[in-house]
Amino acid sequence: DTGVSQNPRHKITKRGQNVTFRCDPISEHNRLYWYRQTLGQGPEFLTYFQNEAQLEKSRLLSDRFSAERPKGSFSTLEIQRTEQGDSAMYLCASSPSGLVDNEQFFGPGTRLTVL
Amino acid sequence: SQQGEEDPQALSIQEGENATMNCSYKTSINNLQWYRQNSGRGLVHLILIRSNEREKHSGRLRVTLDTSKKSSSLLITASRAADTASYFCGRREGSARQLTFGSGTQLTVLP
Repeated sequence: DTGVSQNPRHKITKRGQNVTFRCDPISEHNRLYWYRQTLGQGPEFLTYFQNEAQLEKSRLLSDRFSAERPKGSFSTLEIQRTEQGDSAMYLCASSPSGLVDNEQFFGPGTRLTVL
Repeated sequence: SQQGEEDPQALSIQEGENATMNCSYKTSINNLQWYRQNSGRGLVHLILIRSNEREKHSGRLRVTLDTSKKSSSLLITASRAADTASYFCGRREGSARQLTFGSGTQLTVLP
């Protein structure tokens, strides 16, 4: 399968713990996006990378959140000192760059439950 | 906060009927992308329509875009039970690279 992959698929943690999620984009896609989705809502943008550069961050991304894409391939999203309000589905998407608008392809998501 | 809305919030139809979902937005867009999401899963890309396009087709799907009314519609013809899912439109607004989504339409197709 050459689509976007995310690991783990599910994560249950206790409040105050740190968690890290991984996203592997479609090969050769140099744009990578993180979104968060809560029940009954559409995805909300968190942050965007072009290659290894983090070009945009939403104000939703508090200082407890950090994302990296060190070699311009896979990305990690870390949440420190988790809170119950962080419970959500975390979605990763990737797209190729270019002058023409391109589709964003989403991974299956990581569902986080903070107890 | 999310800009724009999908309408209706929920739609229930019989298998074989057509389903129409609408998406309205507030700012100018570069493109609009429709997605399907089955419960607990990721988003599956359906169709991308650019701001200079008015209509696109893919199989049983037809998407229209009216930039003067800032709205788009997704038509699913001859619906099947497997079409049951939530449908979202994601808009690429202005110079932003990310997509902005509404709350989606929950479609239920009854066998």
